[in-house]
Amino acid sequence: DGGITQSPKYLFRKEGQNVTLSCEQNLNHDAMYWYRQDPGQGLRLIYYSQIVNDFQKGDIAEGYSVSREKKESFPLTVTSAQKNPTAFYLCASSPTGWTEAFFGQGTRLTVV
Amino acid sequence: SQKIEQNSEALNIQEGKTATLTCNYTNYSPAYLQWYRQDPGRGPVFLLLIRENEKEKRKERLKVTFDTTLKQSLFHITASQPADSATYLCALDPNAGNMLTFGGGTRLMVKP
Repeated sequence: DGGITQSPKYLFRKEGQNVTLSCEQNLNHDAMYWYRQDPGQGLRLIYYSQIVNDFQKGDIAEGYSVSREKKESFPLTVTSAQKNPTAFYLCASSPTGWTEAFFGQGTRLTVV
Repeated sequence: SQKIEQNSEALNIQEGKTATLTCNYTNYSPAYLQWYRQDPGRGPVFLLLIRENEKEKRKERLKVTFDTTLKQSLFHITASQPADSATYLCALDPNAGNMLTFGGGTRLMVKP
């Protein structure tokens, strides 16, 4: 089945550690995105990529890094520089052009 | 500054009534606007897309309007059902460059 897969579903991180969230899609979409969602809030854009080996910062990129070495993969690293990383992280993909985004089921990251 | 605003207060309505949700934006000139549904702990799911030259779009019990003069989109669910209870998010692409920006969402509660 085609879709977008995020893993893990739950992730616990100690303060000062870097962690990487996985996002894989088999929809052959060019564009991929990472969003952060805090309780009761909307989605805030962290990074997005329109093509392999290229990505742009969104509104809240500080403390995060990404790579886009393959079309189907867009991992997000939450670094120790991110002061408040506890949140729900959502990955999405879309074809280029004016069309819908498809979301994964999210990763809930908790700093312990 | 650029803003996408949705009513942060929950909307409570009786089953069978029409729910109307509002999305206002400032300092954007989007070519299109999208609406998504999000259930707790899940990723958003695409519902409808409306282009700037379209005044209204319908899909089953859903209707979206787009007024570029008022900078507003209205999302209607007719004959609402308890299963329609969810958070509804509007989104637009500020630069027509695959960078979807979301509003904060409005939670809809449909009571039987």
